[in-house]
Amino acid sequence: GQQLNQSPQSMFIQEGEDVSMNCTSSSIFNTWLWYKQDPGEGPVLLIALYKAGELTSNGRLTAQFGITRKDSFLNISASIPSDVGIYFCAGQSGTASKLTFGTGTRLQVTL
Amino acid sequence: ETGVTQSPTHLIKTRGQQVTLRCSSQSGHNTVSWYQQALGQGPQFIFQYYREEENGRGNFPPRFSGLQFPNYSSELNVNALELDDSALYLCASSLTGAVDTQYFGPGTRLTVL
Repeated sequence: GQQLNQSPQSMFIQEGEDVSMNCTSSSIFNTWLWYKQDPGEGPVLLIALYKAGELTSNGRLTAQFGITRKDSFLNISASIPSDVGIYFCAGQSGTASKLTFGTGTRLQVTL
Repeated sequence: ETGVTQSPTHLIKTRGQQVTLRCSSQSGHNTVSWYQQALGQGPQFIFQYYREEENGRGNFPPRFSGLQFPNYSSELNVNALELDDSALYLCASSLTGAVDTQYFGPGTRLTVL
């Protein structure tokens, strides 16, 4: 099945650094979402974006819905150890709740 | 308010067997979606149920089937298991399919030998 392209695949950063990751698609989406998944858990929604060009923040997280509706990025500022996990983008178009997920970005934070 | 729960947590089956996975929705949610997450991959949409009817299906063969009950809990059934069916199966419930109300359960880890 289709998966969105996320980059980077993995990141090793030091505590306090800022992080940037992005997601691209060959298809247009009406909604972009960013999730975080910890080991043994399901994905947890971080940010939802509904409009092309929209920039939304949730604490230290900021995400943008690309103008072309085919991409999105997520920034995390001043990373902390609990930011460790796998971050997934997901796009929605058409059928409610049917999400197309990205391949994931694994974030490791060192002290 | 209870969250989304899934059972069992882990399951081991052999090729050719059948399996049933269960999901209890978050209180007040009437829509359930099922996803398959292979190791190292993002979740892939299997299908969605709304008010006991299938309401959208991903690119999965007919041996993947489901049910939703009047209390909005759900089952995922997989027949004739194949080795590639080994994955984490995630259930997500939402209110009328709104993705910003969608919560995922912890998943069932299925291993097919």
